Amino acid sequence: QKEVEQNSGPLSVPEGAIASLNCTYSDRGSQSFFWYRQYSGKSPELIMFIYSNGDKEDGRFTAQLNKASQYVSLLIRDSQPSDSATYLCAVKAYGTASKLTFGTGTRLQVTL
Amino acid sequence: GAVVSQHPSRVICKSGTSVKIECRSLDFQATTMFWYRQFPKQSLMLMATSNEGSKATYEQGVEKDKFLINHASLTLSTLTVTSAHPEDSSFYICSASPEGQGRTYEQYFGPGTRLTVT
Repeated sequence: QKEVEQNSGPLSVPEGAIASLNCTYSDRGSQSFFWYRQYSGKSPELIMFIYSNGDKEDGRFTAQLNKASQYVSLLIRDSQPSDSATYLCAVKAYGTASKLTFGTGTRLQVTL
Repeated sequence: GAVVSQHPSRVICKSGTSVKIECRSLDFQATTMFWYRQFPKQSLMLMATSNEGSKATYEQGVEKDKFLINHASLTLSTLTVTSAHPEDSSFYICSASPEGQGRTYEQYFGPGTRLTVT
């Protein structure tokens, strides 16, 4: 069983729409949750992190965490073509020092 | 803030030679750095955790004698691919996590090094 699961996509949304990216994790003791964006041929870039249940907003991005359901999501409002990338969910489990476990990523395509 | 650099960005070497990749945290200290490898259209694979002043911790299946890691200071870790072969051709990416009170464990990635072994 994969520890961090994401739908590989591609998820296609029209420009201006809301993109919703989802991630589930298996370790109930996980502490911190991260969303990274990776453009093709580039390294991952941190978008935001969340460690408390609920929503956390940063500009057009909102991370949502539900520890009871072991679910974390990323909403991108007013999606732009420049948002087209692979979005990686990462989780820090309890007791793993600072190591993160990454999902395989969801590819987002924002169409004109 | 939280900038990580990597050098070189791209390297081509002949089979059997060794290649050293440097990873630096430019504006923060990092007791721990991480080395990842990513093949085309595949996900990130953690190779090892680099600990300042001590031995690196390698993931299962990663040969520690082939991928030598040295973490000599709080801002520098190096990865040496020894006796490189074409199958070692990949995108190598390092990351670092800022230290300090109230740390939240986010990792900042370097820009990556694309290694091609001919």
